[in-house]
Parts: sequence; structure tokens; C-alpha cells
Amino acid sequence: TQLLEQSPQFLSIQEGENLTVYCNSSSVFSSLQWYRQEPGEGPVLLVTVVTGGEVKKLKRLTFQFGDARKDSSLHITAAQPGDTGLYLCAGIFGNEKLTFGTGTRLTIIP
Amino acid sequence: NAGVTQTPKFQVLKTGQSMTLQCAQDMNHEYMSWYRQDPGMGLRLIHYSVGAGITDQGEVPNGYNVSRSTTEDFPLRLLSAAPSQTSVYFCASMKTAPIGTEAFFGQGTRLTVV
Repeated sequence: TQLLEQSPQFLSIQEGENLTVYCNSSSVFSSLQWYRQEPGEGPVLLVTVVTGGEVKKLKRLTFQFGDARKDSSLHITAAQPGDTGLYLCAGIFGNEKLTFGTGTRLTIIP
Repeated sequence: NAGVTQTPKFQVLKTGQSMTLQCAQDMNHEYMSWYRQDPGMGLRLIHYSVGAGITDQGEVPNGYNVSRSTTEDFPLRLLSAAPSQTSVYFCASMKTAPIGTEAFFGQGTRLTVV
């Protein structure tokens, strides 16, 4: 059973466009994180959100945590080829197990 | 600044062989984990450890053993390799903090079982 579902699974857009990817669960997270993974590398942390309704910005990336702490979104403004990668959300459920989502593979076309 | 070091980076095994994937961290983190990554499945937790001498099962523990004799090292053992264990394996060292747990990953071990 996958506790964290991400959508879309694949996304390919032109450079300069905006996009949003989603992370959803039926469970409540104590905290949620977004990671980016490039080919041949391990995932790297982008952000951690802990409060329902929280919004964090990282340059052109905006992360939002749902009010009920069951979902999150990642919005990228004016996408660039360097944004290409696999985006993974991850959450802590009750105990200390860090559980990852299914991932969104993003391709930005120059 | 090494962070998390995994060895080997690539490995081919025959069905039934055993092997150990090594993982070492130099960040003095108590919490470490092993994940496997398959296409379309994200990362799935195999085993984790919250400190030396303490290990617990994750989502997909069958066919794998772990031990944690020191804070630095967390090896993953495949007891009798099967083709279903063909995957990319990532070790993570976890920094726990009031704002959440941050995972630092190694570069992965790409394992093929034939």
C-alpha cells in the first residue's frame, strides 16, 4: 500500500511555463518534505513543512502544506531546464519512518 | 566532507548468491535507513535503525538483514539473491530536528540479479 500518491507521474513542459505537482495521502503527516533526484544520484532535500497551511518559497519553487496536513503541492514558476528531475515527497507518519511518494518525473524542454 | 558513502556502486549477482551492501556516514546521526528504488515505485523502506544495536523493519524487509554495531555503519545483507531484488539501493542518514527529519542519501548501489 502506497501511503503517499503523487501526480502527475510524468510531466513534460516547455521552458518558461508554470507547473504544479501534487502529493496526497489519507493519513495525517507530522511533517512533509520535498526532495529532488537527478540521474545517478540520491535524492536531495528541498524543503520541510510542518504546519498546516504553511507556504514556503525557494526561488521559483513554492511549496504548500494542506490545512489538514494530508496533502502538499509544489509549484514552479517559469520552469527552466535545470528544474528537470524526479520530485519526491516524503512524510513522517506517527513513528519515525520516513515514507516516500511515488514521484513525479519532470522534463523541461528548452 | 564525505557524508554518506555506499559501496559498491554496481553489482551483478547470480540467483542464490549472498552479498553485503556497505553504508557509512560521518555525520554522527543516530537514525539510518535503507531504501530500494524501482521504476514507478518511488523509494520503499527496507529496514531502519534509530541507534546502535537497534533495528526495525520497513515496508519491504523480506530477503534482507541489517545490523547496527556502530553509529557510523549500517550494512544491508542479501541472504539469497533473487531477480526480484534487482533494484537501486539507497542508504540514508537521517538528521532529526524539531522541524522534521532530513535524509542525506548516498549515491546508490545498482544491483542486478541474474
